[in-house]
Amino acid sequence: DGGITQSPKYLFRKEGQNVTLSCEQNLNHDAMYWYRQDPGQGLRLIYYSQIVNDFQKGDIAEGYSVSREKKESFPLTVTSAQKNPTAFYLCASTDRDGNQPQHFGDGTRLSIL
Amino acid sequence: RKEVEQDPGPFNVPEGATVAFNCTYSNSASQSFFWYRQDCRKEPKLLMSVYSSGNEDGRFTAQLNRASQYISLLIRDSKLSDSATYLCVVNPLGNGYGNKLVFGAGTILRVKS
Repeated sequence: DGGITQSPKYLFRKEGQNVTLSCEQNLNHDAMYWYRQDPGQGLRLIYYSQIVNDFQKGDIAEGYSVSREKKESFPLTVTSAQKNPTAFYLCASTDRDGNQPQHFGDGTRLSIL
Repeated sequence: RKEVEQDPGPFNVPEGATVAFNCTYSNSASQSFFWYRQDCRKEPKLLMSVYSSGNEDGRFTAQLNRASQYISLLIRDSKLSDSATYLCVVNPLGNGYGNKLVFGAGTILRVKS
């Protein structure tokens, strides 16, 4: 089955530590996205990539970094500069055609130890 | 003004009721619209796409009003399993961001027996 796989499902970060969230898709989608969702709030865009080796900052990119070396993979690193990282992180993908909806992975919950 | 605005609810309705949500968007150049459903602590899942004058899928009907810049979602014969948060999503192609979608904060629906 085609889909988007995020791992791990739960992640704990220690003070001053960088952590990396994985996102892999086998839908052959060009565009991939990372969102953050805080309790009771909507999705906020962190970074997005419309093609391999290219990515753009979203609305809340500070404290995060990404790479897009392969079409299938779009890992997100939460750096120690992100002072409030506790949230639900969602990865999504879509065709480059802007009229297509996005498909989501099942998310990673990040908490601070 | 937010790009996409929704009434957060909650909408508390009995089983079998008809319920409608509205969503307004600020960018008149927006070209595509979607409704997603999000269950508690889960990822959003596409419910319906709304491309032109509206869309119907079983008990669900979505309408687009370009003149007033809003879309609506009508749910007939509500089921307990319809309880979720409904996200309004807009593709503001007019802002040069390609297929960067903008998510509303969601409307909570609770269907009670």
